[in-house]
Amino acid sequence: DAKTTQPNSMESNEEEPVHLPCNHSTISGTDYIHWYRQLPSQGPEYVIHGLTSNVNNRMASLAIAEDRKSSTLILHRATLRDAAVYYCILREMKAAGNKLTFGGGTRVLVKP
Amino acid sequence: DAGVTQSPTHLIKTRGQHVTLRCSPISGHKSVSWYQQVLGQGPQFIFQYYEKEERGRGNFPDRFSARQFPNYSSELNVNALLLGDSALYLCASSRTGGREKLFFGSGTQLSVL
Repeated sequence: DAKTTQPNSMESNEEEPVHLPCNHSTISGTDYIHWYRQLPSQGPEYVIHGLTSNVNNRMASLAIAEDRKSSTLILHRATLRDAAVYYCILREMKAAGNKLTFGGGTRVLVKP
Repeated sequence: DAGVTQSPTHLIKTRGQHVTLRCSPISGHKSVSWYQQVLGQGPQFIFQYYEKEERGRGNFPDRFSARQFPNYSSELNVNALLLGDSALYLCASSRTGGREKLFFGSGTQLSVL
């Protein structure tokens, strides 16, 4: 499985943007970049995914580098409810099914 | 609509016992996957079932088994429990079992003493 590297933790102030980096230098041409987050005492929750172009949805934005070796999840205005562990995951095109390979993720702390 | 539901929410067992964990997927979802999450780590894939057939298996011993029922609910069974099996067990469902987004339940916290 292609590997991702994320910082262990990040802090942000409430109402400020949060930029979560992810390195995936061994990504293949057809791997999708997925982000999930896990709030305390809950299961992971889908956030966003993309292939080459930047993506936006109601939860976040995903900025993908031109060479696709890195990406950044952007939370535009962090709230206390955004405090969670954020996982960057590569979904391999050749892999069948629902297998997600989670790394250690980035723990985001939001300060009021 | 209800999300993915898992039961029980917490469970305490002793070494050598066996355990059965249950999962009900979102209505209309035909695929169920199981993940194990040890404290401080990301979830690890155990099994996927689609239309009652095993579609994938992670690197777990044969003590772990699962099945899916005609109503698409699923059970995860673990035999001969070890202390290291203490973890949060997560169930995820999806519509078709392909590379679509997964919906996770809140998990069953298993403690093995």
